[in-house]
Amino acid sequence: DAGVIQSPRHEVTEMGQEVTLRCKPISGHDYLFWYRQTMMRGLELLIYFNNNVPIDDSGMPEDRFSAKMPNASFSTLKIQPSEPRDSAVYFCASSHGLAGWGEQFFGPGTRLTVL
Amino acid sequence: AQSVTQLDSQVPVFEEAPVELRCNYSSSVSVYLFWYVQYPNQGLQLLLKYLSGSTLVKGINGFEAEFNKSQTSFHLRKPSVHISDTAEYFCAVSDQGGGADGLTFGKGTHLIIQP
Repeated sequence: DAGVIQSPRHEVTEMGQEVTLRCKPISGHDYLFWYRQTMMRGLELLIYFNNNVPIDDSGMPEDRFSAKMPNASFSTLKIQPSEPRDSAVYFCASSHGLAGWGEQFFGPGTRLTVL
Repeated sequence: AQSVTQLDSQVPVFEEAPVELRCNYSSSVSVYLFWYVQYPNQGLQLLLKYLSGSTLVKGINGFEAEFNKSQTSFHLRKPSVHISDTAEYFCAVSDQGGGADGLTFGKGTHLIIQP
């Protein structure tokens, strides 16, 4: 398996623009997680899905952020409109089953810079 | 909810010396404990985990950690570090019910290996 795939790896955009980050989880994994990593706040869980259904989005910073998982092999995280404080590395991770909660497999991340 | 405290943001160590990275957690319920490693410009990968059983857990790359329930600690150790161990190390906790809090990460410890 190729592991968790994220695209793009780097994104530079201007304030106010829409940004879409993409993730393909490992085949067979039924949990998908979106995290944000910054120097100031560390690694934060934004939202997670189980069997394509959003379970907990309490970590999503505000209404400008939205995430979808239309099928088991694809998820998006959208920021509209983007702001400079959204600059961070965004990670997608997936895991198999409730017992596998802790063994999450991370993608390489998308480094987002909002100017 | 759980929380994780990694007491050192940075640990410089000479090559071939031993190292200990400290992690303390707080939780009102029983927990699972994990250490993840993040190499530069990469996603996180699991080093080791404690789910139950022996409190001494061995992981990849010669690392081990010991769960101490009375001290609510899960310190990571390696008897002899190599330059390739330079990375960011994250301690994480999840409650055993696999609840909505998911994985809670510490802020990370940057391990710097000096030749």
